[in-house]
Amino acid sequence: AQKVTQAQTEISVVEKEDVTLDCVYETRDTTYYLFWYKQPPSGELVFLIRRNSFDEQNEISGRYSWNFQKSTSSFNFTITASQVVDSAVYFCALGHYGQNFVFGPGTRLSVLP
Amino acid sequence: NAGVTQTPKFRILKIGQSMTLQCAQDMNHNYMYWYRQDPGMGLKLIYYSVGAGITDKGEVPNGYNVSRSTTEDFPLRLELAAPSQTSVYFCASSYSPALAENTEAFFGQGTRLTVV
Repeated sequence: AQKVTQAQTEISVVEKEDVTLDCVYETRDTTYYLFWYKQPPSGELVFLIRRNSFDEQNEISGRYSWNFQKSTSSFNFTITASQVVDSAVYFCALGHYGQNFVFGPGTRLSVLP
Repeated sequence: NAGVTQTPKFRILKIGQSMTLQCAQDMNHNYMYWYRQDPGMGLKLIYYSVGAGITDKGEVPNGYNVSRSTTEDFPLRLELAAPSQTSVYFCASSYSPALAENTEAFFGQGTRLTVV
């Protein structure tokens, strides 16, 4: 079975705090892709990152960083020095060759000024 | 560079009415998907297609139909609208597995549907 769990339903932080969004996935396949998408209040889905199952290197992009650990089936997302514009719902997703994308339920992040 | 285009953006339907949500992509993607997002919830797959002429059910297909006569278009049909179908609908597309390094789903802007 393929499943993505985002245990944190809602998180509130004060601006400039660091925040980590958790993502745990289940799959029997050895080849897969993991994604993070951002859905701001305007409603569109914005692609943030893709990571394939063979690449466990952590990635940093500006204030965003991702920690992929196959041993714990986790793909966590950290925002450093959060800003009000980071307020959104964040979705973790799992994709496989030739199959559909499975999304987690999302984590609503509120960054307060 | 249009990407994935969905129409309409908003629609109100009465119970029992039918409508088609349009989705078109200009990226020559083989894979296309329809998701629904209920308030405060994640995305659930309704139907998907791996190429023209091929469609398959996702997690929540009941009450919907799709067709894929061309690579570009993947319309979603609601035959007898019900209040339970009130949701935001997202269409997405992605490359075929042969180009797996680009296996990212590109999403349309969404269609907000209310059934009253």
